[in-house]
Amino acid sequence: EAQVTQNPRYLITVTGKKLTVTCSQNMNHEYMSWYRQDPGLGLRQIYYSMNVEVTDKGDVPEGYKVSRKEKRNFPLILESPSPNQTSLYFCASSLRFPYNEQFFGPGTRLTVL
Amino acid sequence: QQQVKQSPQSLIVQKGGISIINCAYENTAFDYFPWYQQFPGKGPALLIAIRPDVSEKKEGRFTISFNKSAKQFSLHIMDSQPGDSATYFCAAANYGGSQGNLIFGKGTKLSVKP
Repeated sequence: EAQVTQNPRYLITVTGKKLTVTCSQNMNHEYMSWYRQDPGLGLRQIYYSMNVEVTDKGDVPEGYKVSRKEKRNFPLILESPSPNQTSLYFCASSLRFPYNEQFFGPGTRLTVL
Repeated sequence: QQQVKQSPQSLIVQKGGISIINCAYENTAFDYFPWYQQFPGKGPALLIAIRPDVSEKKEGRFTISFNKSAKQFSLHIMDSQPGDSATYFCAAANYGGSQGNLIFGKGTKLSVKP
């Protein structure tokens, strides 16, 4: 089944404890992206990767890192999480950007205490 | 200039009615305008999309109207059904060089009453 998977789906952690949210797609997509969704703010792009060679910041990259070492995986890294990073995170991928549909993962709900 | 402004924030429509959601943008470099639909507990899914070389695109009960000069676009849902109750996001993308930004509006929560 063609899909975008994220792990974990739910995570409660404490301030400053490094964490990684994994994202994987099995559709051979070039483009991958991370978004965070907060009530009243919609979806905001954190980082995107046009392909394995090009990764760049979105609108809200502060406090996040990403890595695109292979086409299928695009992990999101929070080196020192803070409570303002409590949010619902979505990974997405598409064959190309922007004219192809972005397929979203199921989301990861992160709580930072 | 990177903003996409969406209205209304919430919308209640009777079954069979027309739902209309509006979006406006400033950046004239945007050249792709998708709409995403999100049900509770799920990730967004593409509903319909338009490029600025056409003024309207229709897929079933869903229509995008695009006004390039006004820098506005809207989603019309005809014969709205309770199953259409979801949050809708407009978005805009600028495909230039290595840019890969997709800018979303803040969303509209649609409730269709039976």
